[in-house]
Amino acid sequence: EAGVTQFPSHSVIEKGQTVTLRCDPISGHDNLYWYRRVMGKEIKFLLHFVKESKQDESGMPNNRFLAERTGGTYSTLKVQPAELEDSGVYFCASSHRYTEAFFGQGTRLTVV
Amino acid sequence: QQQVKQSPQSLIVQKGGIPIINCAYENTAFDYFPWYQQFPGKGPALLIAIRPDVSEKKEGRFTISFNKSAKQFSLHIMDSQPGDSATYFCAATEDRRGKLIFGQGTELSVKP
Repeated sequence: EAGVTQFPSHSVIEKGQTVTLRCDPISGHDNLYWYRRVMGKEIKFLLHFVKESKQDESGMPNNRFLAERTGGTYSTLKVQPAELEDSGVYFCASSHRYTEAFFGQGTRLTVV
Repeated sequence: QQQVKQSPQSLIVQKGGIPIINCAYENTAFDYFPWYQQFPGKGPALLIAIRPDVSEKKEGRFTISFNKSAKQFSLHIMDSQPGDSATYFCAATEDRRGKLIFGQGTELSVKP
């Protein structure tokens, strides 16, 4: 069974540009989460989808971040325009039940 | 506001030693406490988890001790091996919501 897959694994962009991160969850997992880890700090929750609906987006930093989940399958997280403080590792996770989260390998975003 | 505090930030032990990582939480609504293990370039992977009605849980060489009255829990790794070298995260969640609140992470190095 394929795990959670994230694309790209690494992205370097200039301040002011747009970046789109993609997450393919495990097939059949209704719950999809986005998290972010900024250098050396804790992994912080960004938002939670149940199928295609946003269940909780309380962790989204500001309106430069836009997450979508098309048809309840893959999800994208767009940052527009990117700022220096957006640098970090973005993780996607999916689960069938609320407490069993499987994480992807992460996308390392560097904004220069 | 750091809801889950983890210590130490880094830990070096000799092979065969017993590293201990501690976490403390504030929110008494938390109902599920997982530990994640992360190797470089990989996403966090669920290692072991406990619910507050249990004081200890053991899986192989990994043991969680839980103190509900003190709102603290810890991970012990028995007979540690160099292959255990990784970053360890404690987390907590209100079971029904599934949003994980992570500690800051502990970078463990087990020397041969």
